[in-house]
Amino acid sequence: GAGVSQSPRYKVAKRGQDVALRCDPISGHVSLFWYQQALGQGPEFLTYFQNEAQLDKSGLPSDRFFAERPEGSVSTLKIQRTQQEDSAVYLCASSPRRIYGYTFGSGTRLTVV
Amino acid sequence: DAKTTQPNSMESNEEEPVHLPCNHSTISGTDYIHWYRQLPSQGPEYVIHGLTSNVNNRMASLAIAEDRKSSTLILHRATLRDAAVYYCILTPSGTYKYIFGTGTRLKVLA
Repeated sequence: GAGVSQSPRYKVAKRGQDVALRCDPISGHVSLFWYQQALGQGPEFLTYFQNEAQLDKSGLPSDRFFAERPEGSVSTLKIQRTQQEDSAVYLCASSPRRIYGYTFGSGTRLTVV
Repeated sequence: DAKTTQPNSMESNEEEPVHLPCNHSTISGTDYIHWYRQLPSQGPEYVIHGLTSNVNNRMASLAIAEDRKSSTLILHRATLRDAAVYYCILTPSGTYKYIFGTGTRLKVLA
């Protein structure tokens, strides 16, 4: 497709459940990013991939968060043992080799109950 | 990281120009100024970016003060579809990490 695709669009998880969020970047985009957006706040950086290499994971809030991009295209953000504070919109973005003009997906809204 | 300051909210009438201000008094010489906007239930969308000179594209214009301590995003004719949260972001040259603030929520009145 023409844009960044994220699935599922909405996810409700019971506290303690593991979840996996998927991102399909624009074909050929080398760079891929994950951001977390709490209600009423701007997005916050989680992690960055260049191809399959995770070059920066400094924004991941705890070791319960794990991201991968094994073949340099699709990426998965996994959250283990979800907590209520993990409730947020998780945004994925991709860009070509040059770094300007990221394209964001519409996000996955995660609600932990 | 250099920070930006934006008004929390602004209102505009439809088909009138809108000037969205951003202060960045601690900007450094290599920091680019990016603007993104976020429509309801969507991810942020790239609007425009610049370094020193004013910039124009099909969506908007970016006016950068001579001392670069402030900038203004200009929407020439606001439409109802321009209602969104607008983020002004500073990015040092070569960086990939965006630091969003809380942005300006623009309301467009019919």
